[in-house]
Amino acid sequence: NAGVTQTPKFRVLKTGQSMTLLCAQDMNHEYMYWYRQDPGMGLRLIHYSVGEGTTAKGEVPDGYNVSRLKKQNFLLGLESAAPSQTSVYFCASRPSGGVSYEQYFGPGTRLTVT
Amino acid sequence: ELKVEQNPLFLSMQEGKNYTIYCNYSTTSDRLYWYRQDPGKSLESLFVLLSNGAVKQEGRLMASLDTKARLSTLHITAAVHDLSATYFCAVDYNTNAGKSTFGDGTTLTVKP
Repeated sequence: NAGVTQTPKFRVLKTGQSMTLLCAQDMNHEYMYWYRQDPGMGLRLIHYSVGEGTTAKGEVPDGYNVSRLKKQNFLLGLESAAPSQTSVYFCASRPSGGVSYEQYFGPGTRLTVT
Repeated sequence: ELKVEQNPLFLSMQEGKNYTIYCNYSTTSDRLYWYRQDPGKSLESLFVLLSNGAVKQEGRLMASLDTKARLSTLHITAAVHDLSATYFCAVDYNTNAGKSTFGDGTTLTVKP
C-alpha cells in the first residue's frame, strides 16, 4: 500500500516548456487535489476532482490543466511554464465518506522554472 | 470566501514549556484538521475535529474545536525538540467536494 505517490520529485524547466506531473493513489479515494505551496503562503488549491472523468478549478487554476481518466490517477499539466510557477506541488486524496475525512498527501514535486 | 488565520506564524519555544497555537476561520464549518509538515517533507494528518467541543490528544499535543467561536487551538505541553515542524490547520468549506482552506502555517522551533 504505497498511499499517494508523485512523479517526478524534482524538475527544472525553462520558460515556455511544458510538462506533466503524475499523481497516483492506491486507496480507492474518490476525491483528488493538486496544491501548490509557496513560502509563507500555505497551500493553495489549483484543481480538484470528485471522481473519475471529472475535474474542476480551484483557487489558482490559471496556467494549469488537469485530467483524471482513471480513478487512481490525477495529472497536472503546465502548458507553457513561467517563473511564477516555481513552487512545490502536492497531490492529495481523500475518501468521499466515512469516519475519516482527512487528506492524504503525496511527497511533493519541487519545480523550478528558469 | 472562507479565510483561515493562524497565529502565531512563527514560534520559538524552550524545551519543557507550554504554548498554544490558534486557528480562526471566517465562516461556519464543523470540520477542522491539523497537519504537520517537517522541513522538505509532505503533510501528515495529526487531528480530525468533526464537532463542536471536540478534543483530541496525542502525546504532547492536544487539539480542540469551538465551532461557535470559529476557533481551534493546538496546545503543546512540555515541548521537546522532535515537535519542531510547521503546523497547518485546514477547514472544510465544501463538503460535496471535500475542499479545504489551509492556514498559512505555524513554524515551531523548540530549543534545548
